[in-house]
Amino acid sequence: SQQGEEDPQALSIQEGENATMNCSYKTSINNLQWYRQNSGRGLVHLILIRSNEREKHSGRLRVTLDTSKKSSSLLITASRAADTASYFCATTSYSGAGSYQLTFGKGTKLSVIP
Amino acid sequence: GEEVAQTPKHLVRGEGQKAKLYCAPIKGHSYVFWYQQVLKNEFKFLISFQNENVFDETGMPKERFSAKCLPNSPCSLEIQATKLEDSAVYFCASSQSQKGVPEAFFGQGTRLTVV
Repeated sequence: SQQGEEDPQALSIQEGENATMNCSYKTSINNLQWYRQNSGRGLVHLILIRSNEREKHSGRLRVTLDTSKKSSSLLITASRAADTASYFCATTSYSGAGSYQLTFGKGTKLSVIP
Repeated sequence: GEEVAQTPKHLVRGEGQKAKLYCAPIKGHSYVFWYQQVLKNEFKFLISFQNENVFDETGMPKERFSAKCLPNSPCSLEIQATKLEDSAVYFCASSQSQKGVPEAFFGQGTRLTVV
């Protein structure tokens, strides 16, 4: 079943601007990860934030997590043309009998215009 | 290896034919996951393994799909009697630990086209 829901579905910005993508989810999670997918390629892991963390930084990336609202945001500052890609959030959760799932949202397609 | 290796990169099958996809996880990783991505959209979870044991197969279609992870061999995902709707990119990921820091590393995917 669909867990993460990103918005917007598509985002177009000028190079140098900041890009913000949001992700909402439905069930309790252990952590949340953001991935990037360049067209036709595999997923690249960007950042992981645990359920007991509220904010995390990595270079030009800033991720927030609000477990009370079941939402997360990914901010890319000073965007570059090379940031053009689809961005997915993925939640990890442990269901019954120790089952573990990594569940993806539908993604936000980011276009950075030079 | 240091990366998840998926083969082949592209696979074309006629409707009704069998398709077999392979995934070599990163050495030392004990968890393997398979996902199906249709039309560059959402990733549908199919199945996960802990070593050679099926860990979670709640996403696997009951019929036609099967998967294995045998010792000293690449993991495989097999689709019997493919259908047009099986056309997708199939991604494999491996993880060192299920709990704690389950960062999953993904392969480049196998694009299956059923014609």
